[in-house]
Amino acid sequence: GAVVSQHPSWVICKSGTSVKIECRSLDFQATTMFWYRQFPKQSLMLMATSNEGSKATYEQGVEKDKFLINHASLTLSTLTVTSAHPEDSSFYICSAVMYSYEQYFGPGTRLTVT
Amino acid sequence: KQEVTQIPAALSVPEGENLVLNCSFTDSAIYNLQWFRQDPGKGLTSLLLIQSSQREQTSGRLNASLDKSSGRSTLYIAASQPGDSATYLCAVRPVWPDSWGKLQFGAGTQVVVTP
Repeated sequence: GAVVSQHPSWVICKSGTSVKIECRSLDFQATTMFWYRQFPKQSLMLMATSNEGSKATYEQGVEKDKFLINHASLTLSTLTVTSAHPEDSSFYICSAVMYSYEQYFGPGTRLTVT
Repeated sequence: KQEVTQIPAALSVPEGENLVLNCSFTDSAIYNLQWFRQDPGKGLTSLLLIQSSQREQTSGRLNASLDKSSGRSTLYIAASQPGDSATYLCAVRPVWPDSWGKLQFGAGTQVVVTP
């Protein structure tokens, strides 16, 4: 149990376009999901906290207009990178919280912006 | 502000040796501490979770200790195998209600076990 999926696992897009990444909790309902980004050889940095049915809370320094988060249901949260630029290239990982408050992580999405 | 540090940043050992990975944190007001494994280009796999009231947790060849008062945790991996090669991350979760649910990660220790 407690499986979290992400789609796509890898995406390449051109500079200026938008990309949507999905995070799903497959076998449990998640009232809260977290979005992280990870640069090569670095650790995970929390970007935002996503609560079902409400606006996401962004960490300091994260542009909310650039990284749009929608948590429309208890099993799905989406991250849309708008007007992507090469510096947005990174590894994006989501996690979902079950009732025990333990976070379960997705497999990640590799974004490359050319 | 909580800071999590992992030493060493990288470690290479021959197969069969025991691994000792260290994690330190500056604020002892934690709810729990978790150790993860990350393979290249992959997500995180949870290895062990230690509640703040616990001193250690064990799973197979893995043992993690927690000394909350001194702000330290150690992950021991016995009889290392090449399949243990990965990056190991520790993360702390603050107590309620501060930063509810948010994990603060260390930078990780990259481990290579040579055959």
